[in-house]
Amino acid sequence: KAGVTQTPRYLIKTRGQQVTLSCSPISGHRSVSWYQQTPGQGLQFLFEYFSETQRNKGNFPGRFSGRQFSNSRSEMNVSTLELGDSALYLCASRTGQVQETQYFGPGTRLLVL
Amino acid sequence: GQQVMQIPQYQHVQEGEDFTTYCNSSTTLSNIQWYKQRPGGHPVFLIQLVKSGEVKKQKRLTFQFGEAKKNSSLHITATQTTDVGTYFCAGPSYSGAGSYQLTFGKGTKLSVIP
Repeated sequence: KAGVTQTPRYLIKTRGQQVTLSCSPISGHRSVSWYQQTPGQGLQFLFEYFSETQRNKGNFPGRFSGRQFSNSRSEMNVSTLELGDSALYLCASRTGQVQETQYFGPGTRLLVL
Repeated sequence: GQQVMQIPQYQHVQEGEDFTTYCNSSTTLSNIQWYKQRPGGHPVFLIQLVKSGEVKKQKRLTFQFGEAKKNSSLHITATQTTDVGTYFCAGPSYSGAGSYQLTFGKGTKLSVIP
């Protein structure tokens, strides 16, 4: 089975721009979560989508949004980029069963200048 | 909210020495998961522990889940240079409507001196 894929892998943007990141989960996985990883804050939960519905959201400003499509692929969008948004953005998928773990994609490294 | 603390933050060991990282949750966990992230890579799932007092081994790695299901440890015997990376523990929380999120510890960065 193919793993979680994320595109693009690397991205450079300037302050004020917006960015859209894409995630394709493992086949059969309906839950997709997004995490932000920075050296200072570590891995922080952004949001989780299941069957096209956002089920949970972390403590991030409204500039961070996402969506999930009927094929379980997910996108996250960050508007009005700030320097502090520079991070590794990780997508993880799971089937949605209780006690089942999730599997991470390779991430998108975003640099905001 | 749930907090997961992990110590130490950094560990430098001579190749062949043992290594242990400890994880402590502010709440009782239904399970605890361990991930390894190599430099420049992404977190890779290592193992999940579910039962109170559970001990699992993967070759030189030994994982333990505390009796109260609030703490865990990862022990590596006779470290090798291939063990280099950051080890994270994570605990899940389930909110309304079946939502799921992992709360991660800050990780322990392991360096192995050959």
